[in-house]
Amino acid sequence: SYVMTQPPSVSVAPGETAKISCGGDDIGTESVHWYQQRPGQAPVLVIYSDSDRPSGIPERFSGSNSGNTATLTISRVEAGDEADYYCQVWHSDSSHVVFGGGTKLTVL
Amino acid sequence: EEQLVESGGGLVKPGGSLRLSCTGTGFIFTTSSINWVRQAPGKGLEWVSSISGSSRIIFYADSVKGRFTISRDNAKNSLFLQMNSLSVEDTAIYYCAKDGNPDRAFDIWGQGTMVTVSS
Repeated sequence: SYVMTQPPSVSVAPGETAKISCGGDDIGTESVHWYQQRPGQAPVLVIYSDSDRPSGIPERFSGSNSGNTATLTISRVEAGDEADYYCQVWHSDSSHVVFGGGTKLTVL
Repeated sequence: EEQLVESGGGLVKPGGSLRLSCTGTGFIFTTSSINWVRQAPGKGLEWVSSISGSSRIIFYADSVKGRFTISRDNAKNSLFLQMNSLSVEDTAIYYCAKDGNPDRAFDIWGQGTMVTVSS
């Protein structure tokens, strides 16, 4: 089955840029989505199809995907961005939805 | 406002069964693919199952195949998950989530319902 690997944690100071990676075999050929999950809440879609933002998501959130790594970038990080972030793909070869293990973003 | 609301969670003994429900409002339910996603305490997200709007296309995660059955009643804007032969490993918050685009991004999530499997 398809596996996507995320770093367990990323720390960044307020106002800086956070980059969260999602590694997978040839992930650049997949369409990657990203979710933000604050403690005690349901996940929220923040990036879909590699780099598109749903309405209501700040422009500070952006995504890219190439080769074996997809990346979620959060610019000018705020305290409210502290959350768990998950990448996700629909892996058509296995007919399975796959989530990465999640990354906890800590704002110092 | 697009919304999904789950219900049916609770405490069940190992080997027991439970049926979860999810009701959708504010969007065209009949043409929307819907999924179940679960999250064990302190763990990450795990996709469980998905069903197309017509119920013709159904997929399951390997961990639940043969034990869980997904279904829907479009007349009632409702989605179901029948869970049999439950084990402690099935303890989790269960979310229903709607496909938002052909690439299967989940744009709407319910608040979740807790399932606890314990003797």
